Amino acid sequence: GAVVSQHPSRVICKSGTSVKIECRSLDFQATTMFWYRQFPKQSLMLMATSNEGSKATYEQGVEKDKFLINHASLTLSTLTVTSAHPEDSSFYICSARGDAGWNTEAFFGQGTRLTVV
Amino acid sequence: GDSVTQMEGPVTLSEEAFLTINCTYTATGYPSLFWYVQYPGEGLQLLLKATKADDKGSNKGFEATYRKETTSFHLEKGSVQVSDSAVYFCALSPYGGATNKLIFGTGTLLAVQP
Repeated sequence: GAVVSQHPSRVICKSGTSVKIECRSLDFQATTMFWYRQFPKQSLMLMATSNEGSKATYEQGVEKDKFLINHASLTLSTLTVTSAHPEDSSFYICSARGDAGWNTEAFFGQGTRLTVV
Repeated sequence: GDSVTQMEGPVTLSEEAFLTINCTYTATGYPSLFWYVQYPGEGLQLLLKATKADDKGSNKGFEATYRKETTSFHLEKGSVQVSDSAVYFCALSPYGGATNKLIFGTGTLLAVQP
């Protein structure tokens, strides 16, 4: 199946610094990319949806100035956590879908474990 | 709006036991339905899917049937293995959805003991 590569898999940063996470679709054009945050009891929270070349659509309660999303091409989206704080520590997962319709699956990256110290 | 409800876990089974994880949905029209699996420390992988009523998705011994009359898509496996221990997510893709996003359930943790 299609491959979505997410990098880095783990990152530790100091409080107040920014961290960038990359999500690449390796063998298909991702019309839409999604960014999720996963909490300790496994539930996935959709943070934002991004379409190539346009601004991301953020879910209610997600600070768009803190979680900057850029979808510059059909194969790359980035999530930047700005001025990170310990409460931002979490598992972040990206997902990508092509343009083939509602009956196609989304493909997921491997996830990034962010720890802010 | 569209939503997915799946049984809360954790579900703890002995090896070779029968597995059922319930999933029901609320949606207009004819959504597509998916089961994803997440192994510890990893992202989600598609396990199986069904795109219309009465379709049965199957993979790796897991099965789920799209039941429109009961709005359900329950996941089953006849004999689980320790390696099946993971979190399982039920999801739907709304028909004609404007945002192209999947709607996920809360996930069910399965722990299989030897």
